[in-house]
Amino acid sequence: DTEVTQTPKHLVMGMTNKKSLKCEQHMGHRAMYWYKQKAKKPPELMFVYSYEKLSINESVPSRFSPECPNSSLLNLHLHALQPEDSALYLCASSQTGPTEAFFGQGTRLTVV
Amino acid sequence: GQNIDQPTEMTATEGAIVQINCTYQTSGFNGLFWYQQHAGEAPTFLSYNVLDGLEEKGRFSSFLSRSKGYSYLLLKELQMKDSASYLCAVRESGQAGTALIFGKGTTLSVSS
Repeated sequence: DTEVTQTPKHLVMGMTNKKSLKCEQHMGHRAMYWYKQKAKKPPELMFVYSYEKLSINESVPSRFSPECPNSSLLNLHLHALQPEDSALYLCASSQTGPTEAFFGQGTRLTVV
Repeated sequence: GQNIDQPTEMTATEGAIVQINCTYQTSGFNGLFWYQQHAGEAPTFLSYNVLDGLEEKGRFSSFLSRSKGYSYLLLKELQMKDSASYLCAVRESGQAGTALIFGKGTTLSVSS
């Protein structure tokens, strides 16, 4: 199983809403990542969790709040987003060594 | 910090060979990875190099020179379905953890 599953696939939310993105993997990977990708741009790293602990926060605004409840799950809680936060949000996981990361299909987020 | 450069666009014809170059400057280097991404889809892993030299995987090969901060992805026997964005990514390891950082991507267009 080399699958990273993200839900929902699409999400439309208002600027006052609170929503959560979910990511799940069962490959035993101990590193999990959130990336943001705008159209025609590369994925931009947001957060890294290593052994369920937040290890990297790339100066992401506090309206994005990550959570890693256990080694298989990664959430991204969203609150008071702006229209410019509309993007494809990608979750990935990997072993902690020099190995490839596997990506989920992403959540297409639209903030209205 | 990191700086990863690759050409923005390339074109080629079916059956041809194309080489996509990537140069990088980074600290804590822990591997260089190549991903393919079709529009609207998640990145999929193609190849990676940790040590200097050539790695071959079917129609795709990747080369790394750590002393030169240089890699390339070689695509042989091009097919129309190879039209996609090709992302060079460097894995960095530091005190804060390990992260996969992407270059801006090269959009490859294959024509008949």
